[in-house]
Amino acid sequence: AQRVTQPEKLLSVFKGAPVELKCNYSYSGSPELFWYVQYSRQRLQLLLRHISRESIKGFTADLNKGETSFHLKKPFAQEEDSAMYYCALRRETSGSRLTFGEGTQLTVNP
Amino acid sequence: EPEVTQTPSHQVTQMGQEVILRCVPISNHLYFYWYRQILGQKVEFLVSFYNNEISEKSEIFDDQFSVERPDGSNFTLKIRSTKLEDSAMYFCASSEGAGQGEQYFGPGTRLTVT
Repeated sequence: AQRVTQPEKLLSVFKGAPVELKCNYSYSGSPELFWYVQYSRQRLQLLLRHISRESIKGFTADLNKGETSFHLKKPFAQEEDSAMYYCALRRETSGSRLTFGEGTQLTVNP
Repeated sequence: EPEVTQTPSHQVTQMGQEVILRCVPISNHLYFYWYRQILGQKVEFLVSFYNNEISEKSEIFDDQFSVERPDGSNFTLKIRSTKLEDSAMYFCASSEGAGQGEQYFGPGTRLTVT
């Protein structure tokens, strides 16, 4: 069975500071990893996925298979980054189900 | 930009009653999903649906739950006899493809069972 863990429920940083949201996973195969974001009163939306290897809104995430991690990073946090962030995993075989972590509420203070 | 829509936004029901949650997926999408999130807990997969049948379901999706695509646009989740523990936010999602397509989420329906 697959599992996604986000160890921090809450994370608070100041504007301009670097931010790292941690995500660890357990799965024996080759998963696909995602970060979803939910801004206040908005729907879940895809932020980035590991296979695209792109930076969205200044965020990057690298899949580290040795450490089974997919941490989300941004060098300079902005107030508009305040949101709930969910790490999610999709198995390569069944292909459809997303398994989510518990989420991290990021607050960027002015 | 097309979006997944869900109705109602909030549903209050009494224990034992049947509820139907409705979703309109994005029009050219072929795969549909339901997830739920109990307050304070993680988002959990319930079921996926393709070509008018369930393609995958979780252990949560027992005989109390059913899904249907009654017409060309709606995708519904029915809970036959609601329990207190069914109180949660229910999210619908859709994607163009199964394995590799991005899943687009609706805004959710908050179900409160009293």
